Amino acid sequence: EAQVTQNPRYLITVTGKKLTVTCSQNMNHEYMSWYRQDPGLGLRQIYYSMNVEVTDKGDVPEGYKVSRKEKRNFPLILESPSPNQTSLYFCASWAWENPGELFFGEGSRLTVL
Amino acid sequence: KQEVTQIPAALSVPEGENLVLNCSFTDSAIYNLQWFRQDPGKGLTSLLLIQSSQREQTSGRLNASLDKSSGRSTLYIAASQPGDSATYLCAVRPDTDKLIFGTGTRLQVFP
Repeated sequence: EAQVTQNPRYLITVTGKKLTVTCSQNMNHEYMSWYRQDPGLGLRQIYYSMNVEVTDKGDVPEGYKVSRKEKRNFPLILESPSPNQTSLYFCASWAWENPGELFFGEGSRLTVL
Repeated sequence: KQEVTQIPAALSVPEGENLVLNCSFTDSAIYNLQWFRQDPGKGLTSLLLIQSSQREQTSGRLNASLDKSSGRSTLYIAASQPGDSATYLCAVRPDTDKLIFGTGTRLQVFP
């Protein structure tokens, strides 16, 4: 079954404690992207990747890092989380030849105290 | 800077009604526009994709239109059902790498 898997789904942490949200897709997609969703602001793109070892900033990259060492994985790293990073995070993937068919993970709800 | 607005923010209708959700965008230079559905605790599911050269797309009871020159799209849902209750998001693609989302319309269809 084609899917994008995010972990953890729910996380409560404290300011400054490094954390990683993993994202994995099984469709051999070239593109992967991270979004955050906040009330009244919609989904905003954090980082995206066009292929292995190729990443670029989205609209709200501050405070986040990503890596793409393997095609299937695109982890989101918060080196020093702060309360303003409390949000719902989504990972998505799509094939370059079919950009309209995005597959989203089920979301990771992060709370930073 | 491209901005996407959705009106209304929330909508509650009785089952069986036909309804229209609106999406407007400020920059007409887009590759395509896409409508998504989001259920609580779930990710987004793509409903309809309209390429910039197209005027509308249909899937079952859903019909989406696009007027690029005026920066507007509508999602028409015919004969609404309680199972249609969800948040509906529109997103425009200014280039192949980006999607810019609206804030969504939360729809509730009651029996």
